[in-house]
Amino acid sequence: DSGVTQTPKHLITATGQRVTLRCSPRSGDLSVYWYQQSLDQGLQFLIQYYNGEERAKGNILERFSAQQFPDLHSELNLSSLELGDSALYFCASSPRTGVSTDTQYFGPGTRLTVL
Amino acid sequence: GENVEQHPSTLSVQEGDSAVIKCTYSDSASNYFPWYKQELGKGPQLIIDIRSNVGEKKDQRIAVTLNKTAKHFSLHITETQPEDSAVYFCAASSRGGGFKTIFGAGTRLFVKA
Repeated sequence: DSGVTQTPKHLITATGQRVTLRCSPRSGDLSVYWYQQSLDQGLQFLIQYYNGEERAKGNILERFSAQQFPDLHSELNLSSLELGDSALYFCASSPRTGVSTDTQYFGPGTRLTVL
Repeated sequence: GENVEQHPSTLSVQEGDSAVIKCTYSDSASNYFPWYKQELGKGPQLIIDIRSNVGEKKDQRIAVTLNKTAKHFSLHITETQPEDSAVYFCAASSRGGGFKTIFGAGTRLFVKA
């Protein structure tokens, strides 16, 4: 158990809908990262937050947004969902930011299915 | 853009044999190289990592080597066991232009008993 929690574990929704995925980082970690993993694909970095502020952006669609709250939990919002958004979404956390050697600890993921 | 190539995509070995997975990165600013193991239905779990000022690191049956000149690094698993069966991901992290971690596409390892 990495100490990173994600809810919900599974999410089934329809095209055009909006969903929110939630992540609680390990105790004491200030950075949160979001990744997308499509079927049999690698991990695609979406976005990173540090202590409430956006710090790095990857291949995140404009339909997706995220935020990190004062208690350090983070939410990933996916809107106008398309079939291709079906994937596993992972959250990871690390103690610091801007330190490329910081180890990231991954949560168990949320499996999103868009019908 | 920067990328990390990982080979092979699938690897099947007999229990007790060694397994080697290789990765090549393109960003010369990369200075941290973690390896993750992902079991079915679970999130990736860090198994070993290496920093750019080190050429080799070992932890029991697992070792990682890094060749910065050639920009490649490898994972070595010795005396493989059925519970080693999983998907393994390499990654390369750099600081340039903001924090960035790029993952390889993964290697599905099968260890046959």
